Amino acid sequence: QKEVEQNSGPLSVPEGAIASLNCTYSDRGSQSFFWYRQYSGKSPELIMFIYSNGDKEDGRFTAQLNKASQYVSLLIRDSQPSDSATYLCAGNAGGTSYGKLTFGQGTILTVHP
Amino acid sequence: DAGVIQSPRHEVTEMGQEVTLRCKPISGHDYLFWYRQTMMRGLELLIYFNNNVPIDDSGMPEDRFSAKMPNASFSTLKIQPSEPRDSAVYFCATYGGFYNEQFFGPGTRLTVL
Repeated sequence: QKEVEQNSGPLSVPEGAIASLNCTYSDRGSQSFFWYRQYSGKSPELIMFIYSNGDKEDGRFTAQLNKASQYVSLLIRDSQPSDSATYLCAGNAGGTSYGKLTFGQGTILTVHP
Repeated sequence: DAGVIQSPRHEVTEMGQEVTLRCKPISGHDYLFWYRQTMMRGLELLIYFNNNVPIDDSGMPEDRFSAKMPNASFSTLKIQPSEPRDSAVYFCATYGGFYNEQFFGPGTRLTVL
């Protein structure tokens, strides 16, 4: 079992809809979780991070963390074609504080007009 | 700051040749990570350094791979001899400073024929 697993996708949603991306993790030592967005041919860029149980909102993005269920999600409201990308979920390996991350396989999101 | 700088951006070589990938981290970031990304395996951590010292190289696939960080502003990843299965995008990322995130370089797309 991979340490971080994402719903494999690809995920296709219409413009304006809510896109829901999910991730589970096996390392109970992981405390911090990150969502990176990667456009085709580009490098990953951080869009959200979350440390505490519950929801964290930033504009159209909401990250959710449930440590008891070892579950992380990212909701994108009012999806736009420019949100079409691969989304990578990552957790800090073994609870390390210095950025060593374990990445999921990624979910390809397509937002169609 | 120019961000993480990687060179070359593209490399095409023949099997058996030596390949050297280069990375210049963001000034002041004391952690440096080398990743490899393929469609099949996703984003994999190969090795990381702290203050120029290799901390964990357990992700290095074979002895053909080696990495160095002779000073705080330069790191190399070398593959000798290269094989077609080494074809991938190699990312360098650095961590440190005020922001709790890894910043990725643009990547080097390696093709081994």
